[in-house]
Amino acid sequence: GNSVTQMEGPVTLSEEAFLTINCTYTATGYPSLFWYVQYPGEGLQLLLKATKADDKGSNKGFEATYRKETTSFHLEKGSVQVSDSAVYFCALSEATGNQFYFGTGTSLTVIP
Amino acid sequence: NAGVTQTPKFRILKIGQSMTLQCAQDMNHNYMYWYRQDPGMGLKLIYYSVGAGITDKGEVPNGYNVSRSTTEDFPLRLELAAPSQTSVYFCASSRAVESTDTQYFGPGTRLTVL
Repeated sequence: GNSVTQMEGPVTLSEEAFLTINCTYTATGYPSLFWYVQYPGEGLQLLLKATKADDKGSNKGFEATYRKETTSFHLEKGSVQVSDSAVYFCALSEATGNQFYFGTGTSLTVIP
Repeated sequence: NAGVTQTPKFRILKIGQSMTLQCAQDMNHNYMYWYRQDPGMGLKLIYYSVGAGITDKGEVPNGYNVSRSTTEDFPLRLELAAPSQTSVYFCASSRAVESTDTQYFGPGTRLTVL
């Protein structure tokens, strides 16, 4: 079946530190992969996505590369800011597109 | 353009009570979804709809019902509330059902059943 496993949190970093949040997946077929971000008190917002192997999604300084050989989609940012404090969810959408599968979320706190 | 809206934001129910969680979108999306988010867990799909008059079960449908009489609205009904339904509920919509399409989420409804 389909599933997403992501790094346990919470993660606390100092401003300007490098961020990696690991995400691996199990899927039948060729899914699309997503990172969503949830700011306090809000719903999930799309951060970036990749729809095929070796694609790199990027947005707001965040990047993730779809690695089929390692079934991974790790989220990275070179220099985090306080405003990046949020919960980050990795997700996959199966090839038929009807269902999304979400990881458990990783809480990030960035301190000045 | 309000996107996806949900009401209420918070609700406390007693065991056995019923309620309807409202969800509306103004993006003319055909596809709508209901998820629940339990503490420390990812989102689980409850029900989804591919258009007015068409709904289908997701991963965790037991204890819930949905209807879709219009493109805009997708209410979720809890008939006999149980403590296991304490959760945060998110409604989402998407333009189409291709796996590459983005889902847009509402702000959530936090439900507590006591």
